[in-house]
Amino acid sequence: GQQLNQSPQSMFIQEGEDVSMNCTSSSIFNTWLWYKQDPGEGPVLLIALYKAGELTSNGRLTAQFGITRKDSFLNISASIPSDVGIYFCAAPWGASKIIFGSGTRLSIRP
Amino acid sequence: EAQVTQNPRYLITVTGKKLTVTCSQNMNHEYMSWYRQDPGLGLRQIYYSMNVEVTDKGDVPEGYKVSRKEKRNFPLILESPSPNQTSLYFCASRHGQGPYNSPLHFGNGTRLTVT
Repeated sequence: GQQLNQSPQSMFIQEGEDVSMNCTSSSIFNTWLWYKQDPGEGPVLLIALYKAGELTSNGRLTAQFGITRKDSFLNISASIPSDVGIYFCAAPWGASKIIFGSGTRLSIRP
Repeated sequence: EAQVTQNPRYLITVTGKKLTVTCSQNMNHEYMSWYRQDPGLGLRQIYYSMNVEVTDKGDVPEGYKVSRKEKRNFPLILESPSPNQTSLYFCASRHGQGPYNSPLHFGNGTRLTVT
């Protein structure tokens, strides 16, 4: 089936650092989604992208829909402790599916 | 408050003992879906439902059953659980029946352990 390759798998950051993660596929998508999962909770939608090249922000988060439509990027500026969690990229596929990447786990370096 | 409610949150059971995980949404959503989350594999779709009495297989349906007799409820049934079904399960719902046009709302998950 379709696959979204997300990297890095995990990262340790210090408070205040900027964070970058990406998602790539061999398939073309018309929509890219970024979700965040806090510990003990279900994923919550952060940003939705609908157009190639689109750059969308949500507070300190900025996501981009790649020009080739095969990738997407998420940046977090000036990270804070509550940014800890798992970030998933996702994309609708066909009439009814949404496929998810394997996630990037963000932790704070002690 | 608009929400997707799963029960139970935690469940430990033994191989072969039938179980049901319930899911209910109060947003009048047409579409509902079950996912399982495993380390390194992300979220994989088990089954989905476009509306009442309409269900279909996702990517990993083996060993699971679902039903959609009412719009608000979408229970996940494991007739004979096995240890490889130990996982974190999420129910989700959204408006619409066709291609994606509105966000998925997730429940808070059910952590299942099968010994």
